[in-house]
Amino acid sequence: GAVVSQHPSWVICKSGTSVKIECRSLDFQATTMFWYRQFPKQSLMLMATSNEGSKATYEQGVEKDKFLINHASLTLSTLTVTSAHPEDSSFYICSATLSLPTGSSYEQYFGPGTRLTVT
Amino acid sequence: AQSVTQPDIHITVSEGASLELRCNYSYGATPYLFWYVQSPGQGLQLLLKYFSGDTLVQGIKGFEAEFKRSQSSFNLRKPSVHWSDAAEYFCAVGGYSSASKIIFGSGTRLSIRP
Repeated sequence: GAVVSQHPSWVICKSGTSVKIECRSLDFQATTMFWYRQFPKQSLMLMATSNEGSKATYEQGVEKDKFLINHASLTLSTLTVTSAHPEDSSFYICSATLSLPTGSSYEQYFGPGTRLTVT
Repeated sequence: AQSVTQPDIHITVSEGASLELRCNYSYGATPYLFWYVQSPGQGLQLLLKYFSGDTLVQGIKGFEAEFKRSQSSFNLRKPSVHWSDAAEYFCAVGGYSSASKIIFGSGTRLSIRP
């Protein structure tokens, strides 16, 4: 099946610094990728929709200047957490959509996640 | 607005017993429905999905789910659980377009009693 990777798998950074997380679709092209965050023992909260070649669409309440998303190619989207603070510590998960050849169906493949800890 | 409700936060069943996890959705159009499983510290794995056609959907690991439009439900079932099924289960809803965002329910944690 299709594979989505994330790098790094975990990162620790100091408060005030920026962290970049990469999301790659390894064996397919994805015009649309999504970024989620997940707090411990909670569900996935959609942060933004990343479209190749255009600006990301952010969900209500998500600061676009803090969470910079770039979808520079059909296989790579990046999330940069700028001026990170301890409250940004979370599990960040990306997903990439693969359109299936059978009609208009699709599947969304998830990366393994990146655990960010801000000290 | 689209939403997914999983009313059971935590369920414990005995190994070998049957399982049903509830999911109700709210969506303005015909939904595309999913069940995912997440083991501790792991990523999400798709168990099954409903796009169209037969309302009883078979998935991996012996799971199945039934789409009931009249009840806006998509409950997940398994006739006999195994200890390895202990995990967090998420129901999700999306639209028909591949650019549609997928919204997740709050999840149900499944524990297995030996």
